[in-house]
Amino acid sequence: GAVVSQHPSWVICKSGTSVKIECRSLDFQATTMFWYRQFPKQSLMLMATSNEGSKATYEQGVEKDKFLINHASLTLSTLTVTSAHPEDSSFYICSAIPGLGLDTQYFGPGTRLTVL
Amino acid sequence: EDKVVQSPLSLVVHEGDTVTLNCSYEVTNFRSLLWYKQEKKAPTFLFMLTSSGIEKKSGRLSSILDKKELFSILNITATQTGDSAIYLCAGFNTNAGKSTFGDGTTLTVKP
Repeated sequence: GAVVSQHPSWVICKSGTSVKIECRSLDFQATTMFWYRQFPKQSLMLMATSNEGSKATYEQGVEKDKFLINHASLTLSTLTVTSAHPEDSSFYICSAIPGLGLDTQYFGPGTRLTVL
Repeated sequence: EDKVVQSPLSLVVHEGDTVTLNCSYEVTNFRSLLWYKQEKKAPTFLFMLTSSGIEKKSGRLSSILDKKELFSILNITATQTGDSAIYLCAGFNTNAGKSTFGDGTTLTVKP
């Protein structure tokens, strides 16, 4: 149980294009999902907390207009990197908490984004 | 601002060795300390600790929390090459509803 999927697993795009990454909880409902990015040999950097049916809460320094997050249902959150640039190239990981009051996060397999 | 510090940052051992990974935290409204293992992709959950002094165990891995000293350790006995990974700990802030992660300890187990 507690499986989280991400799609796509990797994507290469040209500078200036937008990329959408999907995060799905496959066997549970997730009221809260998190989006992280991770650079090589570095730890997870929380970008935003996504709550179903409400606006995402962004961490300091993360541009909300550049990283659009939508949590339209209890099993799906999307991250759209708008007008991507090479510096946006990174490993993006989502995670979900299977219920209110629970602390354990279940992570998706991640999406490797490369912007040329 | 919540803070989690792990040590050492990296560690190289040989198969069969025992290792201890450290995690100290300063997390307001602290509720739990979580350990994850990250290999090539995303982290996988190992332990969640909420009470001091109660050891959690899973095979060769065990972990314990000290809420007075704001500290946790992860022990791995009889290490195997498959234990090579980045081990992350995180402190959960119940008011903020989110975890703060440490920078991780990169463990390399040589045959």
